[in-house]
Amino acid sequence: AQSVTQLDSHVSVSEGTPVLLRCNYSSSYSPSLFWYVQHPNKGLQLLLKYTSAATLVKGINGFEAEFKKSETSFHLTKPSAHMSDAAEYFCVVTHNNAGNMLTFGGGTRLMVKP
Amino acid sequence: KAGVTQTPRYLIKTRGQQVTLSCSPISGHRSVSWYQQTPGQGLQFLFEYFSETQRNKGNFPGRFSGRQFSNSRSEMNVSTLELGDSALYLCASSPDRDEQYFGPGTRLTVT
Repeated sequence: AQSVTQLDSHVSVSEGTPVLLRCNYSSSYSPSLFWYVQHPNKGLQLLLKYTSAATLVKGINGFEAEFKKSETSFHLTKPSAHMSDAAEYFCVVTHNNAGNMLTFGGGTRLMVKP
Repeated sequence: KAGVTQTPRYLIKTRGQQVTLSCSPISGHRSVSWYQQTPGQGLQFLFEYFSETQRNKGNFPGRFSGRQFSNSRSEMNVSTLELGDSALYLCASSPDRDEQYFGPGTRLTVT
């Protein structure tokens, strides 16, 4: 079984300040982990993925995430928020035995204040 | 390459009717997965097709079905629509067991 918990349903930051979106996962197997972003009325866009290579993963638009097995966490960070980062972010887990069945967290809505 | 396309983008149906949604994957991708997104339940996996065969299935009633054609295009069908089926239905394609690329979704409203 696998599950994902996104610890904050809403996060608000000021433009230019750091972003931290928290994610904890549970998986019976070695997990693959992803972060997706969804802008209003749009589909999901892949930000980054972890698949058992480097534990610090760099993605698009300046985002990165660190896989910490001991803490079962995969938090998403960005040094400096832009207004265009305002969107909903999903942490996602899967594993080889699950094929392409993705398990999504509940989502975190990021708001960026000017 | 063109991205994943879904048709129609918006749909309004009446309770009890049936509906068919279509998804065209990225060229060369053989896996197509479907997800339901609702405010209450979030994003949930419906099923996955690979080379015309259902490879994975989520926990949805039998009213939800799908198929995949030889060109990898996929359709999903929902019969006997219920109000609770109102959702954004997302399709994702993948070469095989790789990262998935999502389409813009079909917004289904059941009245």
